[in-house]
Amino acid sequence: DTAVSQTPKYLVTQMGNDKSIKCEQNLGHDTMYWYKQDSKKFLKIMFSYNNKELIINETVPNRFSPKSPDKAHLNLHINSLELGDSAVYFCASSSGSSNSPLHFGNGTRLTVT
Amino acid sequence: GNSVTQMEGPVTLSEEAFLTINCTYTATGYPSLFWYVQYPGEGLQLLLKATKADDKGSNKGFEATYRKETTSFHLEKGSVQVSDSAVYFCALEMGGYNKLIFGAGTRLAVHP
Repeated sequence: DTAVSQTPKYLVTQMGNDKSIKCEQNLGHDTMYWYKQDSKKFLKIMFSYNNKELIINETVPNRFSPKSPDKAHLNLHINSLELGDSAVYFCASSSGSSNSPLHFGNGTRLTVT
Repeated sequence: GNSVTQMEGPVTLSEEAFLTINCTYTATGYPSLFWYVQYPGEGLQLLLKATKADDKGSNKGFEATYRKETTSFHLEKGSVQVSDSAVYFCALEMGGYNKLIFGAGTRLAVHP
């Protein structure tokens, strides 16, 4: 009965490859997010979708493409992976109303070699 | 722009010691303020929040007061436990859509 689940938990791949990370939430939330956490634990928002529509798109290389097939899913596809993409990627969801808490998944640790 | 600054860690304490983790913010307006906690191998969880000046958020023995005059939201706990060992993130929200801006996180290690 995990609220926000993302797969895979670990992803090791080589430079230049294309990979996807999947996220699903069963909380009935309208809004989902992708955050990137670097090696120093610094967290930064990448994207947010509200009911399948893109509402936040921070300065992220266009090699990163989020896709939301329905409001319970937000997947992240990364093309032409680079060493600097190595990080932990967190999916989160919220009801979208002001001050409502974000519910995070357990993260996907991406290592690009 | 909007930003959050936290004290650098790690913070190392003995069990039952008093904890303070400093957090200050810069914002154009009046943000909502949050503390999130990240236990090893897990995602972040909301610990407490305050939405306006002088509000006090509290949960699990932790407290933080929204101080507009000092633009601060320091986290405190009177007596820490080993199970409190985690990384603590201060964050602010402005502009809707729950877009959170996080501080760099402060690692807390509590020893028996």
